[in-house]
Formats: sequence, C-alpha cells, structure tokens
Amino acid sequence: DQQVKQNSPSLSVQEGRISILNCDYTNSMFDYFLWYKKYPAEGPTFLISISSIKDKNEDGRFTVFLNKSAKHLSLHIVPSQPGDSAVYFCAARHTTSGTYKYIFGTGTRLKVLA
Amino acid sequence: DVKVTQSSRYLVKRTGEKVFLECVQDMDHENMFWYRQDPGLGLRLIYFSYDVKMKEKGDIPEGYSVSREKKERFSLILESASTNQTSMYLCASSPSRREKETQYFGPGTRLLVL
Repeated sequence: DQQVKQNSPSLSVQEGRISILNCDYTNSMFDYFLWYKKYPAEGPTFLISISSIKDKNEDGRFTVFLNKSAKHLSLHIVPSQPGDSAVYFCAARHTTSGTYKYIFGTGTRLKVLA
Repeated sequence: DVKVTQSSRYLVKRTGEKVFLECVQDMDHENMFWYRQDPGLGLRLIYFSYDVKMKEKGDIPEGYSVSREKKERFSLILESASTNQTSMYLCASSPSRREKETQYFGPGTRLLVL
C-alpha cells in the first residue's frame, strides 16, 4: 500500500523553463511534507518542506504547494538549471504516540536539458 | 553542518554472512533511521530509533536487526545475508524538535550479496 506516490518516474525540461514535480498521498494524518534531491552515489539532501497547515512555501527558485483537499503536493523549480538534474523524492511525516516516521515516494528523475 | 557518516561506501558479501553497517552522526540528534533504496521502490524504512537503546520496526524489518548503544551511533545488522538484500542502504538522523523537521542522510552503502 503506497501511501505516498510519485506517478511520473521521469521528467525532462529545457533549461530556464519551469519544472513541476508532483506527489499524491492517501493518509490525511500526515502533518509535514518534504522534498529531497538525490544525486547518484550520494545520500538524499533536504530541499524544502511544508507544514500541513500551510498551502505554499517558497525558497529561492523552489516552491512547494500543498492542496490538502486533493491530497496533492507539488514542487516548482523556476528557472530550471542543468545542476537541478537529479532524482527528487517527496516524503510525508506521520506522527503516532510521540514518535514519527517518514514515508517516501518512489522518486522522479528530473533531467534539465541545456 | 550536520554530518552523517556510514562505515563503507561499497560492500560485497556472500550469502549467509553476518553483515554490519555502521552509521555515526555528529549533531547530537535523538532520532536515527535506516532505509534501503531500490529502483522503482523509493526509500523504504527498515528500522528507526528515537533514543539510545530504543528501536522501532519500520516497514520492512524482516531479516534485519539494529543496535543503538550510543546516541551518535546506529548499526544495522543483517543476521544472514541473502541475495534479495542487495541494495543501497541509507542512514539518516534528525532532531526531536518538531518545527522544521528534516532528516540528514549519509552517503549510502551499496551492498552486493553474492
């Protein structure tokens, strides 16, 4: 049962254009959402996050949007750069009995073409 | 800067061997996690720990055990390695503060079981 889904395994975008990566979730109890970027042979690095009580968070070229009614999350990268080429994972945090864990999506491989 | 280190980048082991994967973090984080990453499956949580000597099963704990004797160190143990445990193993840590939660990942250990 995949609680966090990234339905697009890959995405190609021209340099300078907008990249939009999508993520859907099923559990309405998730209270925090995060995006990570992963280069080959490296661990994921944190990119941006959003609390479930917000609908938008912006950090430089990166903006995350949260639509709770649709249980949908998206990451916008504007403008896209070749260095953004990586695998992007969305993750959702679930808190129970004072402990929490993160559920990850399957990832989307972004390729930014020069 | 948070640093999470993993004892090996690459490991080759034989079926039936006992395998130890070590993870150390230097930011006094309470929480530590072990994931495995497989193509098309994203990151799946094996075990996590929210305090010394405490451990919780993740989504796929079968065939694994963990040890957390010191706050900074979290070990993953494959009691009897099998070929289906060939994977990329990622360790992560995070603080307990609820705001701006994120996980910090190590570089990963690519394990091949022959």
